[in-house]
Amino acid sequence: AQSVTQLDSQVPVFEEAPVELRCNYSSSVSVYLFWYVQYPNQGLQLLLKYLSGSTLVKGINGFEAEFNKSQTSFHLRKPSVHISDTAEYFCAVSGWETSGSRLTFGEGTQLTVNP
Amino acid sequence: SAVISQKPSRDICQRGTSLTIQCQVDSQVTMMFWYRQQPGQSLTLIATANQGSEATYESGFVIDKFPISRPNLTFSTLTVSNMSPEDSSIYLCSVVGDSSYEQYFGPGTRLTVT
Repeated sequence: AQSVTQLDSQVPVFEEAPVELRCNYSSSVSVYLFWYVQYPNQGLQLLLKYLSGSTLVKGINGFEAEFNKSQTSFHLRKPSVHISDTAEYFCAVSGWETSGSRLTFGEGTQLTVNP
Repeated sequence: SAVISQKPSRDICQRGTSLTIQCQVDSQVTMMFWYRQQPGQSLTLIATANQGSEATYESGFVIDKFPISRPNLTFSTLTVSNMSPEDSSIYLCSVVGDSSYEQYFGPGTRLTVT
């Protein structure tokens, strides 16, 4: 079975500071990894995805993530955050052992950007 | 990516009643999913709905409580039956993207059961 662990439930940062949201996964087969963002009172928006190829993945809104197979991690980073980045961030995994499309989500990380 | 709408966006319901949530997609999709997000928690998959076949439910979810319809490739409904306060959650539908691995989500239906 696959699982996802987001190591920080809450991450407070100041505006224009860098941020890293940590995500580790466990799986016995090849995986596909995703980061979603949920703004208050909204649905989930896909930030970025890793399916194959380059381990450094760039997404929307200046976010990027690096797939590290040896450490089974997929940490999300942004060099300079804005107030508008305040949201809940979810790491998710799918893979061949779960019929491809079935997503398993982490518990989420609340990013709060303070002025 | 697909554009997904859900109705209603929110509702307050009384214990023991049922609510049907609609999910409409702007393009034909094979796989649709229904998720529940309880207050302050992550998403839990309720079921997978493929057109032309019975929905496949995850452990802990049953058809009598959460009946699903999938009449065509752009539409699905989820009914929350005989509601209790524990059913107060956000219910989201999603569809699979072109790569067959990424999913796109609707805005969610915020349900409060009193």
